[in-house]
Amino acid sequence: GAVVSQHPSRVICKSGTSVKIECRSLDFQATTMFWYRQFPKQSLMLMATSNEGSKATYEQGVEKDKFLINHASLTLSTLTVTSAHPEDSSFYICSARGQGAFQPQHFGDGTRLSIL
Amino acid sequence: AQTVTQSQPEMSVQEAETVTLSCTYDTSENNYYLFWYKQPPSRQMILVIRQEAYKQQNATENRFSVNFQKAAKSFSLKISDSQLGDTAMYFCAFMKHVGAGSYQLTFGKGTKLSVIP
Repeated sequence: GAVVSQHPSRVICKSGTSVKIECRSLDFQATTMFWYRQFPKQSLMLMATSNEGSKATYEQGVEKDKFLINHASLTLSTLTVTSAHPEDSSFYICSARGQGAFQPQHFGDGTRLSIL
Repeated sequence: AQTVTQSQPEMSVQEAETVTLSCTYDTSENNYYLFWYKQPPSRQMILVIRQEAYKQQNATENRFSVNFQKAAKSFSLKISDSQLGDTAMYFCAFMKHVGAGSYQLTFGKGTKLSVIP
């Protein structure tokens, strides 16, 4: 089946640090990638959608300068949390969808980000 | 906007028994897909089963099956012969085409299922 690899799985860093999270589709070409944030015991909240080679589309309320998204190729998207603060601590999950009508989204294992 | 409602925040089932998780959705679309995802304590989102709206036959994947009632906009998940590994959060999701090759996926709030030994 389709595999999405997300790295790192856990990050602990000091306030003010920038953190990069990578998301790779391993066995399919992901025309669209998605970044979600999940708070404890809640559903996934879509942060942004990115298509290969174009700028990401951010959901309302998500700061594009805080959460930088790059979708440089059909298999790689990165999320950079810039100047992270404790309130950015959360579980971040990437997802990728292949070409074709109504292809399902496949998810990475998530990244637990803890800002001290 | 599409809404997906999972009315059961938590459920439990005895091992080897059958359990049904409910999901309803609201849409004016005629062509769409529905999914059930499972998120175990490891936090990975795993696709369990999918259903195409234009297919009347209910989807089945081993012990997992759905009861898709398009007119009622209902999409329940039945888990037969429940196993301890089925313990997880289950999310119902609705996907529609929003143009230019883009698709929007909307999740319900989830149902926490506990399988009791």
